[in-house]
Amino acid sequence: QKEVEQDPGPLSVPEGAIVSLNCTYSNSAFQYFMWYRQYSRKGPELLMYTYSSGNKEDGRFTAQVDKSSKYISLFIRDSQPSDSATYLCAMSVVRSPGNQFYFGTGTSLTVIP
Amino acid sequence: DARVTQTPRHKVTEMGQEVTMRCQPILGHNTVFWYRQTMMQGLELLAYFRNRAPLDDSGMPKDRFSAEMPDATLATLKIQPSEPRDSAVYFCASGPPPGGQGWDQPQHFGDGTRLSIL
Repeated sequence: QKEVEQDPGPLSVPEGAIVSLNCTYSNSAFQYFMWYRQYSRKGPELLMYTYSSGNKEDGRFTAQVDKSSKYISLFIRDSQPSDSATYLCAMSVVRSPGNQFYFGTGTSLTVIP
Repeated sequence: DARVTQTPRHKVTEMGQEVTMRCQPILGHNTVFWYRQTMMQGLELLAYFRNRAPLDDSGMPKDRFSAEMPDATLATLKIQPSEPRDSAVYFCASGPPPGGQGWDQPQHFGDGTRLSIL
């Protein structure tokens, strides 16, 4: 079983829709939860990160973490064609000497004008 | 706007050849990560440095891969000898000092080196 599971999609929505992207994980030790956006032929860019459970909002983006269910979500409100990209979830546990990081395989999103 | 710079952007070479990929992290960032991305496996961590010291290279095939940071402005990833299964996009990422909670962030990624081994 992979440490992080993410539905690859593809997901296609009309402009203005609310998008929900999700990941599940198996390691209860994960402490930091991240979402990255990756445009075609580009590197991932960090969108948001949260520590432990709860919600975090940044503009049209909301990240949710439910540690009891080992489930994280990214919501995009009022989706725009420029949001079309692959979204990667990632998780981290702080260890010594170095932290451990795990990425989902990404969900491809297309927002249709 | 600060960026992580990777060279070359593309590399095509024959099996058995040595491949060297370079990364210039963002000035002031003290953590550097090397990742490999394929359709099947997604992003896999190969190596991770903090203050130029290797912290984790457990994801890297040791017999053919090596990662170094000769100085704070340059990280290298070498494959020798290369094999067709090494074909992938290799990303370098850097992150700022972790701050109070001790968490290193792979915050900024370069645009990758697309490697094809024939």
